[in-house]
Amino acid sequence: EAQVTQNPRYLITVTGKKLTVTCSQNMNHEYMSWYRQDPGLGLRQIYYSMNVEVTDKGDVPEGYKVSRKEKRNFPLILESPSPNQTSLYFCASSFNLKNTEAFFGQGTRLTVV
Amino acid sequence: QKEVEQNSGPLSVPEGAIASLNCTYSDRGSQSFFWYRQYSGKSPELIMSIYSNGDKEDGRFTAQLNKASQYVSLLIRDSQPSDSATYLCAVNRRGKLIFGQGTELSVKP
Repeated sequence: EAQVTQNPRYLITVTGKKLTVTCSQNMNHEYMSWYRQDPGLGLRQIYYSMNVEVTDKGDVPEGYKVSRKEKRNFPLILESPSPNQTSLYFCASSFNLKNTEAFFGQGTRLTVV
Repeated sequence: QKEVEQNSGPLSVPEGAIASLNCTYSDRGSQSFFWYRQYSGKSPELIMSIYSNGDKEDGRFTAQLNKASQYVSLLIRDSQPSDSATYLCAVNRRGKLIFGQGTELSVKP
């Protein structure tokens, strides 16, 4: 089954404790991205990757890191989480830049206390 | 001006009616357009994509695109309570997918 898999689904952590949210897709998609969704602000892109070893900042990259060492995986790293990063996070993948029909992971609800 | 604008709603329609959702975008260079449905707490799910002017129908859903006026709309015929969700308009602006804030639709039995 074609899918985008995120883990964990729910996470409560404390300020400053490094964490990683994993994302994996099995559709051989080139393009992957991370979004956060907050009430009243909609979906905002954090980082994106056009292919292996090619990543770039989205609209709200501060406080986040990503890597793309393999085509299928695109982890999101919070080196020192803060309460303002409490949000619902989605990973998405699409075939490439031209065909951007995006498929989303199940979401990760992160709470930073 | 936001790049992709939608009325936040809520839009309330009775069961069986036609729900009409609208979206405008600012960049004339935008090339492809999408409608996603998102149930509360769930991930967005692609329901329609449209690439050229005119109408595209898929079951009870019809997407309409007018590039000259820079708007895209979604019609849902014979609305069902299970259609109650937030509908997100998304626009491919030069390779980047830009989302509107979404319109909340409520279908009353």
